[in-house]
Amino acid sequence: GAVVSQHPSWVICKSGTSVKIECRSLDFQATTMFWYRQFPKQSLMLMATSNEGSKATYEQGVEKDKFLINHASLTLSTLTVTSAHPEDSSFYICSARDFGTGGQGIYEQYFGPGTRLTVT
Amino acid sequence: GQNIDQPTEMTATEGAIVQINCTYQTSGFNGLFWYQQHAGEAPTFLSYNVLDGLEEKGRFSSFLSRSKGYSYLLLKELQMKDSASYLCAVMDSNYQLIWGAGTKLIIKP
Repeated sequence: GAVVSQHPSWVICKSGTSVKIECRSLDFQATTMFWYRQFPKQSLMLMATSNEGSKATYEQGVEKDKFLINHASLTLSTLTVTSAHPEDSSFYICSARDFGTGGQGIYEQYFGPGTRLTVT
Repeated sequence: GQNIDQPTEMTATEGAIVQINCTYQTSGFNGLFWYQQHAGEAPTFLSYNVLDGLEEKGRFSSFLSRSKGYSYLLLKELQMKDSASYLCAVMDSNYQLIWGAGTKLIIKP
């Protein structure tokens, strides 16, 4: 099946610094990637939809200037958390959509393993 | 508005069968997904239903009734490793996934 990787898997940073998280589709081209955030014992919350070569579409309540998304190629999207604060500590998960080249095919989203961010 | 409902938590016994229900109201429908998520890990794909009926895959089966806005995930011969959260998600008319809050399944020996 399709594989999505994320790097780093966990990161600890100081308040006020910026952190970049990479999401890569390893064996397929992903025209669309999604960024989610999940707080403990809560469901996934979609933050933004990232389309290759264009600006990301952010969900209501998500600050686009704080969570910078770049989708420069068909296999890579990055999320940068700028000026991180302790309340940004969360589990960040990306997913990529593969339009029917294999596996379950149609519109399935493949998830990366997630990045656990802790801001001190 | 769009809404996905599933029970918050369920408990079952090892070796038994459990059915996790999901009801939905969305703007358009392009399929329903079930994902499994172990604590601290990302979701993994279990099933996809776009037509009415039952899809069977080993110990797991998923059922869909579009007219009723209803699906269930059936897990047979439960194993301890099945303890996880099970997420129901519906793809709407814009091909966006609308997520349920997840059902935490606890398996007891």
